[in-house]
Amino acid sequence: QVQLQESGPGLVKPSQTLSLTCTVSGGSISSGDYYWSWIRQPPGKGLEWIGYIYYSGSTYYNPSLKSRVTISVDTSKNQFSLKLSSVTAADTAVYYCARGGVWGSYRPPFDYWGQGTLVTVSS
Amino acid sequence: DIVMTQSPDSLAVSLGERATINCKSSQSVLYSSNNKNYLAWYQQKPGQPPKLLIYWASTRESGVPDRFSGSGSGTDFTLTISSLQAEDVAVYYCQQYYSTRTFGQGTRLEIK
Repeated sequence: QVQLQESGPGLVKPSQTLSLTCTVSGGSISSGDYYWSWIRQPPGKGLEWIGYIYYSGSTYYNPSLKSRVTISVDTSKNQFSLKLSSVTAADTAVYYCARGGVWGSYRPPFDYWGQGTLVTVSS
Repeated sequence: DIVMTQSPDSLAVSLGERATINCKSSQSVLYSSNNKNYLAWYQQKPGQPPKLLIYWASTRESGVPDRFSGSGSGTDFTLTISSLQAEDVAVYYCQQYYSTRTFGQGTRLEIK
């Protein structure tokens, strides 16, 4: 059974960089069939996809966040990470990591999710 | 970006009755080469991550009760719960994965 777990600071100051890590267990992040995504949800609001990474390091970001987002992968640790720079209060959200199928794999989208971690941006 | 619009925003249905949620995409999510609609549905309960219910518009994820079904093609899709149970109270999201990834705004389902 694949499990994903987010970790990182729950409080970030405005203008600083938010950093989170997702640790994958029960499966290899190097599986060629999957992208590994970050998704966020502001309190009481809907879901916003931030971006994904392939085990090779290829990335694709939401155009609305692209200038501030970096997603990286460490296959030796079975982890991938998110950095979001120049944060404001609008970046306060529950941040989820999730697994989704690669185009052409016919795997489902976002079939496994982490439990989510609340990150608050405040001074 | 493909914009996903759900209707209604909220819905109250009696136990045992049918619930229907609609989702419309701003452009087609049907890929003609494989005839698949790149559309999924999720259920989210308070304090939990979303749970995948349906993908390829109509394929139920393993373990999802058969009272949940998905239909539609191109730009118009529907999630139907045939006989509402108390445990189905949640927010439901549609999501396209044809081009990047975007979600609908969510539909809150309650018991009448």
